[in-house]
Amino acid sequence: DAGITQSPRHKVTETGTPVTLRCHQTENHRYMYWYRQDPGHGLRLIHYSYGVKDTDKGEVSDGYSVSRSKTEDFLLTLESATSSQTSVYFCAISTSGGRTDTQYFGPGTRLTVL
Amino acid sequence: GENVEQHPSTLSVQEGDSAVIKCTYSDSASNYFPWYKQELGKGPQLIIDIRSNVGEKKDQRIAVTLNKTAKHFSLHITETQPEDSAVYFCAASINSGYALNFGKGTSLLVTP
Repeated sequence: DAGITQSPRHKVTETGTPVTLRCHQTENHRYMYWYRQDPGHGLRLIHYSYGVKDTDKGEVSDGYSVSRSKTEDFLLTLESATSSQTSVYFCAISTSGGRTDTQYFGPGTRLTVL
Repeated sequence: GENVEQHPSTLSVQEGDSAVIKCTYSDSASNYFPWYKQELGKGPQLIIDIRSNVGEKKDQRIAVTLNKTAKHFSLHITETQPEDSAVYFCAASINSGYALNFGKGTSLLVTP
């Protein structure tokens, strides 16, 4: 699992509440990513980071924000959760120092928005 | 952007048989093609990858082939075992970019 942990692993919340998911890595890799996985859609990139305080949007970024104040932590925030954000969220890191190369995924967070 | 199509969506084989999963991509600039295996309740696990300067790569029972002209690549699993049962995802990316673009997955079932 390339030293990646995600917390919480499961969360149930209500529409309109803020939610923050945490990704933690132990190996000081520069590139970190947040994906969501939905049936019929595979994995889609939400946001990524290429260094501390350096982040950018992915394919499905609407309704999400991210922060990276330390190399090891990449936070994903849903400011006001909606039912369409019910999904499984995966964090990934790139080990090669390149951009898209060799991404390894964490165990995932299952989020349910009621 | 890049569009990755993956077929079939489900595949059932008997133990010992071979399994083949195929993907096509749309962006001719794509040059990195990983394959992931995902077991129930777990994150995707990288099993093999190939770059556009190579036509084939093998790792024990797993091989990947790439046809750049036709813009398709395939995963081959030989001598399948029940523990190969999982969902397999292909992906494609441009090395100068940041995103892996995934196919929608193939659910492989290997029956004893």
